[in-house]
Amino acid sequence: EAGVAQSPRYKIIEKRQSVAFWCNPISGHATLYWYQQILGQGPKLLIQFQNNGVVDDSQLPKDRFSAERLKGVDSTLKIQPAKLEDSAVYLCASSRGGAQYFGPGTRLLVL
Amino acid sequence: QQQVKQSPQSLIVQKGGISIINCAYENTAFDYFPWYQQFPGKGPALLIAIRPDVSEKKEGRFTISFNKSAKQFSLHIMDSQPGDSATYFCAASKNQAGTALIFGKGTTLSVSS
Repeated sequence: EAGVAQSPRYKIIEKRQSVAFWCNPISGHATLYWYQQILGQGPKLLIQFQNNGVVDDSQLPKDRFSAERLKGVDSTLKIQPAKLEDSAVYLCASSRGGAQYFGPGTRLLVL
Repeated sequence: QQQVKQSPQSLIVQKGGISIINCAYENTAFDYFPWYQQFPGKGPALLIAIRPDVSEKKEGRFTISFNKSAKQFSLHIMDSQPGDSATYFCAASKNQAGTALIFGKGTTLSVSS
């Protein structure tokens, strides 16, 4: 069974630019999560989808972050405009109602 | 508000020794407590998980001990090996309600040979 796929793996941008990350969850997993992991900390939830509906986006900075999962499978997370403090690893995870499985993450550096 | 507190922040253990990492939680509604292992440049990988209806779960060299009344749980790594050197995160969630995980800040384990 293929794991959670994410791309790109690395991204370097300048502040105020925009960036997008892509995630393809494990086949059959209805729940998809985006987490932000700042260096030296544990992952923190940004947004949770159940199929193509948003379950929890209470910690998503909606003035600059957006996410969608239009067909209930893969998902895109966008940051526009990026700030220096957005430098982090963006992790995608999926589950079928139990354990959550993480992808390798996208490492973002904002200069 | 941090809901899952993890300690120690870092740990050095001799090869063959026992590594112990502790976590405490605040929300009594949590019903699922996993541990994740993360190597540099990789995503967190699920190691072992426990639900509050049992006090201990063992998988190979890894054991979770759970104390519901104290709202604490811990990870024990027996016969620690250099390959176990990684960052370990405890987490908690209201799994029955399908909520996301709340993670601790992580423990960096170094096993010296």
